[in-house]
Amino acid sequence: GAGVSQSPRYKVTKRGQDVALRCDPISGHVSLYWYRQALGQGPEFLTYFNYEAQQDKSGLPNDRFSAERPEGSISTLTIQRTEQRDSAMYRCASSSQQGLNTEAFFGQGTRLTVV
Amino acid sequence: SQQGEEDPQALSIQEGENATMNCSYKTSINNLQWYRQNSGRGLVHLILIRSNEREKHSGRLRVTLDTSKKSSSLLITASRAADTASYFCVPLGYQKVTFGIGTKLQVIP
Repeated sequence: GAGVSQSPRYKVTKRGQDVALRCDPISGHVSLYWYRQALGQGPEFLTYFNYEAQQDKSGLPNDRFSAERPEGSISTLTIQRTEQRDSAMYRCASSSQQGLNTEAFFGQGTRLTVV
Repeated sequence: SQQGEEDPQALSIQEGENATMNCSYKTSINNLQWYRQNSGRGLVHLILIRSNEREKHSGRLRVTLDTSKKSSSLLITASRAADTASYFCVPLGYQKVTFGIGTKLQVIP
């Protein structure tokens, strides 16, 4: 596609439910990143992939969070047993080169609300 | 983690004036990038300056980098109301990257 696409744009879920957030990067982009952004704060790094390999997941808050990118393209961020504190904007970005040594293009994000 | 700290946290200027934002960081970098985030919209990459560059221009943007002081500045000349946004610096090396709080720029028409 022309840009990074994230779906859904908005997700409201009940506490305790699992959610899956999808990111479709720019075609051919090698690296894919996940960030979480609270209101009034900058994006917080969660994890990133080069191709299908997860390079760094140290930013994932706890083991309820996981991400995959099985074919080196689309990625899914899964949050199990959601809690209210998980409510945030989740942003995905991709870049054409490995690592963040070139510009990253961000999607519009998924606004997750846990009630 | 590697994080840029933007200063000031908030800046309000009149349309047509220049806006200067500063960024400091603590570790070695390969490059430093500036991003903009308009209210309610996504993050947009503005400019990338490599560690061996001292100054870079792009339209009304001028970025400087001083690796000895571990600092960068972003200058927006002849500001417009549409420049109202949060601006983030992202110093990039080999470590996990986290965005800072950013500088909230308000340009008053």
